[in-house]
Amino acid sequence: DVKVTQSSRYLVKRTGEKVFLECVQDMDHENMFWYRQDPGLGLRLIYFSYDVKMKEKGDIPEGYSVSREKKERFSLILESASTNQTSMYLCASSSGSGVYYGYTFGSGTRLTVV
Amino acid sequence: SQQGEEDPQALSIQEGENATMNCSYKTSINNLQWYRQNSGRGLVHLILIRSNEREKHSGRLRVTLDTSKKSSSLLITASRAADTASYFCAAVIGKSTFGDGTTLTVKP
Repeated sequence: DVKVTQSSRYLVKRTGEKVFLECVQDMDHENMFWYRQDPGLGLRLIYFSYDVKMKEKGDIPEGYSVSREKKERFSLILESASTNQTSMYLCASSSGSGVYYGYTFGSGTRLTVV
Repeated sequence: SQQGEEDPQALSIQEGENATMNCSYKTSINNLQWYRQNSGRGLVHLILIRSNEREKHSGRLRVTLDTSKKSSSLLITASRAADTASYFCAAVIGKSTFGDGTTLTVKP
């Protein structure tokens, strides 16, 4: 069974900390995505990557960065965590151009910044 | 602004009834996808309909797409308590844009 694994289900961090959220997929997918989900705002795309060492900004990249050194791993970095980054973070991957394939999502990381 | 917007926001039905959820989007798309999310978990891909298709079936799911109205609907027939979840549509133009979902409650 194909999988997208997010390293933590729940995470509590302090304001100003540097936070790493890790995502690993075992499907050899080219494309990987980071979304955040907030009530009333839906899922919003933060960053995505179509290839190793390649990244593109999504709709809300401010305050975040990403790293994709290997095909299977896509990391989301909060350079200096703030309380408004408290959210559910979802990683997803897809094959090929992504146009004719569905996304496979991880189980999510619920991050609380205090 | 969001590409995929679901309607209604919440839907409550009895087990055995059919549930219909709608999705509207703003621009031309490559395809439209429906996902399900159980409370506090990731999204699970249910069905994909391409822009040149009008209707698609998968088990108890039926999806329609009207590109002239920029809308789609998801019908779940003979609902079960286990169908209780949030349902999202994603309008795909290269990457997917999701709405806030429809929360479906199926009462036993």
